[in-house]
Amino acid sequence: DAGVIQSPRHEVTEMGQEVTLRCKPISGHNSLFWYRQTMMRGLELLIYFNNNVPIDDSGMPEDRFSAKMPNASFSTLKIQPSEPRDSAVYFCASTKETTNQPQHFGDGTRLSIL
Amino acid sequence: GESVGLHLPTLSVQEGDNSIINCAYSNSASDYFIWYKQESGKGPQFIIDIRSNMDKRQGQRVTVLLNKTVKHLSLQIAATQPGDSAVYFCAENIGSTLGRLYFGRGTQLTVWP
Repeated sequence: DAGVIQSPRHEVTEMGQEVTLRCKPISGHNSLFWYRQTMMRGLELLIYFNNNVPIDDSGMPEDRFSAKMPNASFSTLKIQPSEPRDSAVYFCASTKETTNQPQHFGDGTRLSIL
Repeated sequence: GESVGLHLPTLSVQEGDNSIINCAYSNSASDYFIWYKQESGKGPQFIIDIRSNMDKRQGQRVTVLLNKTVKHLSLQIAATQPGDSAVYFCAENIGSTLGRLYFGRGTQLTVWP
């Protein structure tokens, strides 16, 4: 079975540019989570969706960050404009909307903003 | 949760020994716990989970123990192998039906041949 698929795996871009990260959750999963991981702060939840609806975006750092889930099989996380401090690994995870189910993670996008 | 400093707790063990990784949680309402393994360049990978109505659960070479009295969770790995070297995270769900998890900072396990 296909797991959570993220693209691109690596992104290097100059500050000020727009960055779009993509995620395809596991089929049948209807909760989707975006995380950011850095050495300084560990794994941080940015936003999560349930049935394509954003439930909690309190972890989004600032207005430069936005996320969408237009359908059950696709989500994007966008940073515009990007800054060097946004450099991190961004993970997407999905799970079924039932209690006591583990989240399944993609392999992440390693983002470097120069 | 686990330590909030800049450095991950570390554990170094000899190949073949047993490993014990510990995690403290703070919310007594937490009812579901998961251990993840993260290898370099990869996402966290599910290892084993446990519900709050249990105090022990075993998998293949792994055992999770839950002590709700002191809010403590541990992961035991039997006969540790070099391939077990990774960062291990505990995560807790605080009664949410939407699957939100709260993660600890992780423990770096290094296995020496």
